[in-house]
Amino acid sequence: SAVISQKPSRDICQRGTSLTIQCQVDSQVTMMFWYRQQPGQSLTLIATANQGSEATYESGFVIDKFPISRPNLTFSTLTVSNMSPEDSSIYLCSVKGTDTQYFGPGTRLTVL
Amino acid sequence: GESVGLHLPTLSVQEGDNSIINCAYSNSASDYFIWYKQESGKGPQFIIDIRSNMDKRQGQRVTVLLNKTVKHLSLQIAATQPGDSAVYFCADGGTSYGKLTFGQGTILTVHP
Repeated sequence: SAVISQKPSRDICQRGTSLTIQCQVDSQVTMMFWYRQQPGQSLTLIATANQGSEATYESGFVIDKFPISRPNLTFSTLTVSNMSPEDSSIYLCSVKGTDTQYFGPGTRLTVL
Repeated sequence: GESVGLHLPTLSVQEGDNSIINCAYSNSASDYFIWYKQESGKGPQFIIDIRSNMDKRQGQRVTVLLNKTVKHLSLQIAATQPGDSAVYFCADGGTSYGKLTFGQGTILTVHP
C-alpha cells in the first residue's frame, strides 16, 4: 500500500486569501487525484494531477480556482484560491497504487 | 450522469451483531468497486474491493457482494465491534481506474 501525507492537516483562513495543500507519497505513482469532502457529505473528485502537464478538471472545477501542480511522481499541490466560506471542506489527496486506490489523511480547511 | 447511492444513511447495531450496508450504482459498464471506512478526522481507509467478474469476495470479517443484474453491492461485517463505528462509503471505479464516484455514506454506530 502507499503511504500518503498531507500538509497542513488543518487551517483556518480568511476569505479572499489562498492556501496551498501539499501531498507527498512514499513511492512513485502514476496517478494522483484531489478530492473535496464538504461538511457531512461524500467525496467529489476535483481533478487528476498529471505529471508534467496540466491537471484534468472535473465538471464544476476550474484551474483558476484550484490550480494544481505535479512536478514529479511522488508530490502534488492543490491551491484553493480566493477563498470563501463555501470552500470550507476537507481536501483529500488520493493515489492509484499497484492494487487499489488510497487516500491521504486530508486537510481540513475552514474559511472565515 | 453516473451516481452511486446508499439505501440506508444510518445503521445502529449491537456489538457482536452482523452489519449489512447497501449501495446502488448506476453505471452498468463499471467494472471495479471499493468499500472505504472513514473515521472522524481521518481519510477514507480501504476495506475491500471487488471486480465485476466476481459476485462475492471475502476479507477478514468483511464480505462484499456484487449483483450486476440490479446494480447493487453490499458490505457485510461479521461480529461488529465498537471499533467498526465509522462512516462507510462505496465507490464506483467505473472503467477509468482511479476516478471514483462515491456514494452518500452510511454512518455505522456499534453499541457495546
